[in-house]
Amino acid sequence: GAGVSQSPRYKVTKRGQDVALRCDPISGHVSLYWYRQALGQGPEFLTYFNYEAQQDKSGLPNDRFSAERPEGSISTLTIQRTEQRDSAMYRCASSPGPGTSGSYNEQFFGPGTRLTVL
Amino acid sequence: SQQGEEDPQALSIQEGENATMNCSYKTSINNLQWYRQNSGRGLVHLILIRSNEREKHSGRLRVTLDTSKKSSSLLITASRAADTASYFCATDEYSSASKIIFGSGTRLSIRP
Repeated sequence: GAGVSQSPRYKVTKRGQDVALRCDPISGHVSLYWYRQALGQGPEFLTYFNYEAQQDKSGLPNDRFSAERPEGSISTLTIQRTEQRDSAMYRCASSPGPGTSGSYNEQFFGPGTRLTVL
Repeated sequence: SQQGEEDPQALSIQEGENATMNCSYKTSINNLQWYRQNSGRGLVHLILIRSNEREKHSGRLRVTLDTSKKSSSLLITASRAADTASYFCATDEYSSASKIIFGSGTRLSIRP
């Protein structure tokens, strides 16, 4: 089946604008993750969901960042009042989730959204 | 914060040689995973090893896990040009099995 998709693939915005990044996980995957990745670094955990419940948001940098997954499928990461330091690759991943096989937290990554804040 | 830290940060070897990368982590885990990323593209899962396993093989990959030392190694045998990529270890936290933390990665370059 289809893998994880993200949109838009590229987003250029002006400082102070709000942006919404979308993630469409693999069908049936319970868990959905958001990461931010700087060049030359590993993905930095932001938040994750099991079904529609946000389990952990400890990685969100500040209250300008929020995420939701209202129906337990598609998720949106919203950044309000963007700043230049928010420029990065934002990656989404999904995994089968708890109660499944031993690879319940194996991450299937989407292509990412490259965000540039001018 | 980083749970896993890879060593070395960068590695350059001749095609056909073996490449070994190490990962150290801080807290108890349920499992440890290794991922590959080519040139800033998407991350691809390579192998998962559970905390009660000591060694696992997949093709040319061999992963070891030493929970007493909180460390893992990834060995790629008979390296190929296509193995040029960044390699990341990722660990969960024993108390939060679904929360995954990635290390900073090892950049592997294979010289022809």
